[in-house]
Amino acid sequence: EAGVTQFPSHSVIEKGQTVTLRCDPISGHDNLYWYRRVMGKEIKFLLHFVKESKQDESGMPNNRFLAERTGGTYSTLKVQPAELEDSGVYFCASSQQPSSGPQYFGPGTRLTVL
Amino acid sequence: KQEVTQIPAALSVPEGENLVLNCSFTDSAIYNLQWFRQDPGKGLTSLLLIQSSQREQTSGRLNASLDKSSGRSTLYIAASQPGDSATYLCAVKYNAGNMLTFGGGTRLMVKP
Repeated sequence: EAGVTQFPSHSVIEKGQTVTLRCDPISGHDNLYWYRRVMGKEIKFLLHFVKESKQDESGMPNNRFLAERTGGTYSTLKVQPAELEDSGVYFCASSQQPSSGPQYFGPGTRLTVL
Repeated sequence: KQEVTQIPAALSVPEGENLVLNCSFTDSAIYNLQWFRQDPGKGLTSLLLIQSSQREQTSGRLNASLDKSSGRSTLYIAASQPGDSATYLCAVKYNAGNMLTFGGGTRLMVKP
């Protein structure tokens, strides 16, 4: 069974540009999460989807970040316009329903904003 | 504020030693606790999940314990090997919400 996949693995962009990250969860997992780790800090929660609905987006830092999960399968996280402080590693995770089970993480996307 | 702390931040041991990694959390109203391993440049690999009603979980040479009343979890690694070298992360799911709250991790080096 394929794990959580993320694309791209690395992205280097200029400040002010737009970047879109993609996450494909494990097949059949209704729960999808986005997290990120910025330099020197702990991994922090961004948001949680249940199927195509946003269950909790309390961790989204500001309105430059937009997450979607059309059709309840893969998800995208768009940063527009990117700022220097957005640099870090963005992780996606998925879990089955109910959400009492483990979360399975993807390899992450390393974003560098210059 | 719900926080998760891991001490030490880094640990170096000779091969064959048994070792304990520590995780503490500030709020005892946890739903479950998950231990992960992260290799450099890679994602997080789930090692063990302990539900709030459980005291410990075992997988091979790994044993994780949970003491909600004291706000602590430990990950015990028996007979450590160089291949165990990685960063170990503890993450708590609190009763309110489905997100995980992570500690800063312990970077483990097992020397041959």
